[in-house]
Amino acid sequence: EAGVAQSPRYKIIEKRQSVAFWCNPISGHATLYWYQQILGQGPKLLIQFQNNGVVDDSQLPKDRFSAERLKGVDSTLKIQPAKLEDSAVYLCASSLGSQGLAEETQYFGPGTRLLVL
Amino acid sequence: SQQGEEDPQALSIQEGENATMNCSYKTSINNLQWYRQNSGRGLVHLILIRSNEREKHSGRLRVTLDTSKKSSSLLITASRAADTASYFCATAGGSARQLTFGSGTQLTVLP
Repeated sequence: EAGVAQSPRYKIIEKRQSVAFWCNPISGHATLYWYQQILGQGPKLLIQFQNNGVVDDSQLPKDRFSAERLKGVDSTLKIQPAKLEDSAVYLCASSLGSQGLAEETQYFGPGTRLLVL
Repeated sequence: SQQGEEDPQALSIQEGENATMNCSYKTSINNLQWYRQNSGRGLVHLILIRSNEREKHSGRLRVTLDTSKKSSSLLITASRAADTASYFCATAGGSARQLTFGSGTQLTVLP
């Protein structure tokens, strides 16, 4: 079974530039998550999709971050414009369930490491 | 905000020894999960324990949960160099559809 795929693996940009990350979840997984992991900390949920609908985006800085999941499969996360404090690893995860409950095992991709200069 | 706090922040042991990591949390939970993260990689789910369970085993892993103290521990027995990683606890409360991760314990197992 193929795992969660993410690209790019690394990205370096200057502040005020824009950047986009892509995620392909495990086939058949209805729930998709984007996390931000700052160095030395645990992952923080940015947004959670159930199929192509948003379940929770309460911690997404909506003035600069946006995400979409077209057709309920792949997802993109965009930052525009980037700030220095956005430097982090952006992790995508997916889980199977149709109900998106937190009891499900989440499968993580390798992440995209973003450095904002 | 991060619900769980792991203790210690870093732990270094010799191969073959046991490693114990603790997690404390603040609000009531439905379940608690432990994940491992190798350097530069994504997280891997290790084990889930529900709020009505007190102890759970999986291979060399043993997890305990004390809801009265709002704490959990992860024990790795007979550690190996390959166990070197960061370990995170994650909590889900009530009907929550999301996990809240702690700040992690960095475990180093020396050969």
